[in-house]
Amino acid sequence: AQKVTQAQTEISVVEKEDVTLDCVYETRDTTYYLFWYKQPPSGELVFLIRRNSFDEQNEISGRYSWNFQKSTSSFNFTITASQVVDSAVYFCALRGGSGGSNYKLTFGKGTLLTVNP
Amino acid sequence: DVKVTQSSRYLVKRTGEKVFLECVQDMDHENMFWYRQDPGLGLRLIYFSYDVKMKEKGDIPEGYSVSREKKERFSLILESASTNQTSMYLCASSLYQEEGNEQFFGPGTRLTVL
Repeated sequence: AQKVTQAQTEISVVEKEDVTLDCVYETRDTTYYLFWYKQPPSGELVFLIRRNSFDEQNEISGRYSWNFQKSTSSFNFTITASQVVDSAVYFCALRGGSGGSNYKLTFGKGTLLTVNP
Repeated sequence: DVKVTQSSRYLVKRTGEKVFLECVQDMDHENMFWYRQDPGLGLRLIYFSYDVKMKEKGDIPEGYSVSREKKERFSLILESASTNQTSMYLCASSLYQEEGNEQFFGPGTRLTVL
């Protein structure tokens, strides 16, 4: 069975602070895919990043960065110099690579990030 | 850009009514999905479809059925709505490939069953 744990239910920061959202996953698949999605107050989930299990390179996109560590089964997301527009619920998700019903995403329960001015 | 649209943003129905939630995607994606989102529970998969007329149960299919007659359209049906089906319903689509393609989501339908 696959599982994604986002231990932080809610985080509140002040604008310009850096913030890290934690994601820990469990899977028996040797090939798998990890995702982060953002859900702003409008409700629509927005895709942020996909990472393959065989690629452990960290990634940076503007103020966003992702740290993938297979040794600790973690895929953490850092926002540098946070802004009010970053306020949203962030979901980490996992998809297995084995055959059959491998299209399904297993989502964590999400972390509500509030960035205060 | 991929666009996934859902027929309603807000819907109010009575207990026992038959409810149809429609989802349309315009990027020729093979896979389509229905999730429900509840506070503290995250997103849970109800059903998905990997081809026209093909469907598979997700994690919480009870009380729901689906229909996919055309590639671009995936409908979720509540045969007899109940109050515990009050929720946010999200539709998504993705390409069919062995690689883990990302899913693209619609804006959601907030359903209230009275």
